[in-house]
Amino acid sequence: EIVLTQSPDFQSVTPKEKITVTCRASQDIGTSLHWYQQKPDQSPKLLIRYASQSFSGVPSRFRGSGSGTEFTLTINSLEAEDAATYYCHQSSSFPVTFGQGSRLEIK
Amino acid sequence: QVHLVQSGAEVRKPGASVKVSCKASADTFSNYLIHWVRQAPGQGLEWMGVFNPGAASTSYPHSFQGRVTMTRDTSANIVYMELRSLRSEDTAIYYCAVTLTTLTTNFDFWGQGTLVTVSS
Repeated sequence: EIVLTQSPDFQSVTPKEKITVTCRASQDIGTSLHWYQQKPDQSPKLLIRYASQSFSGVPSRFRGSGSGTEFTLTINSLEAEDAATYYCHQSSSFPVTFGQGSRLEIK
Repeated sequence: QVHLVQSGAEVRKPGASVKVSCKASADTFSNYLIHWVRQAPGQGLEWMGVFNPGAASTSYPHSFQGRVTMTRDTSANIVYMELRSLRSEDTAIYYCAVTLTTLTTNFDFWGQGTLVTVSS
């Protein structure tokens, strides 16, 4: 089973800052890596698929990059509504797995 | 866009079973894949398996094999997930999520979640 490790687990930032979340895979997964945003008491929502493809309707400040074993989610010019937990998800290998989550607090 | 509407919260005793439904808004979901993912209180996401309504086929991870069954009601665009031999650790929110084509593997849209509480 492929293990995804996200960092940091938590960060607290102010609006308009830029942040990055890293997801490292225990083995090469190509670009079969997706990012989701989960706000408190809501279902996850797809942000980025296949490492860098923005999902329909997702604001352009959300960017994904990477391949192989290291991936990055970047959020530019943070807004208050971006407070959430972000999860990476690999679909390269059975069973699909998720990272442990990275919680973002907006001060 | 596909909307997924799940059944309401359930409470079960240890050893019992629970069956959660997920209804898709699309006229047909033959080309979709329906995944089930659960989230224990304050925890991360755990994949439980996938159902292909078009082929009526399933795939479950080892951790749930023998304890989970995914089925469909094609006429009503509903997929069911049944989990048996419940224990307290199964207390979680259960989500269905859809992959809109069999050529992609991300989860495009998610249901609202169903809270299952296992308690004696």
